[in-house]
Amino acid sequence: GAVVSQHPSWVICKSGTSVKIECRSLDFQATTMFWYRQFPKQSLMLMATSNEGSKATYEQGVEKDKFLINHASLTLSTLTVTSAHPEDSSFYICSAYLAGESYNEQFFGPGTRLTVL
Amino acid sequence: GDSVTQMEGPVTLSEEAFLTINCTYTATGYPSLFWYVQYPGEGLQLLLKATKADDKGSNKGFEATYRKETTSFHLEKGSVQVSDSAVYFCALTSGYSTLTFGKGTMLLVSP
Repeated sequence: GAVVSQHPSWVICKSGTSVKIECRSLDFQATTMFWYRQFPKQSLMLMATSNEGSKATYEQGVEKDKFLINHASLTLSTLTVTSAHPEDSSFYICSAYLAGESYNEQFFGPGTRLTVL
Repeated sequence: GDSVTQMEGPVTLSEEAFLTINCTYTATGYPSLFWYVQYPGEGLQLLLKATKADDKGSNKGFEATYRKETTSFHLEKGSVQVSDSAVYFCALTSGYSTLTFGKGTMLLVSP
């Protein structure tokens, strides 16, 4: 249980185009999802917290108009990289938060490799 | 604020060697502690966790003990395999859902 999927797993796009990445919790509902960015050989950088039915909360230094997040349902959050540029090339990972009586845990998707030419 | 410090890698070992990856933390309150593993080109998988002091998390031969007195959560395995080659992240959460990650430690195991 507690599986999170991402689509696509990789994408190559031209500079100036927009790219949408989907994050789905397959077997549970998640009111909170997270989007991370990972540079080569580095740790995960939290970009934003996505809450179902409300606006995402962005971390300092992350452009909200550049990285649009929509969490329209309890099983789906999307990250849209608008007007992508080569510096946006990165590995994007989402996670879905599941809380219970005796635990709270983030479950991670497999990641999406974005390459902007 | 919360922070996690891990030993820098890469850690290079021969198969069947003993593994230790050090992790220390600073946090307010009583955090939960995690070790995640990332295989090449993949997302993160939870390896083990501990939610209170003196708890020992274990999975797949790996283990780590939550040491409040030394604010540490070192990862150990008695005999590593080539398939253990990956990047290992120590992380914590303080009450809410947000995770704070260490920088990651790459482990390379040779036959």
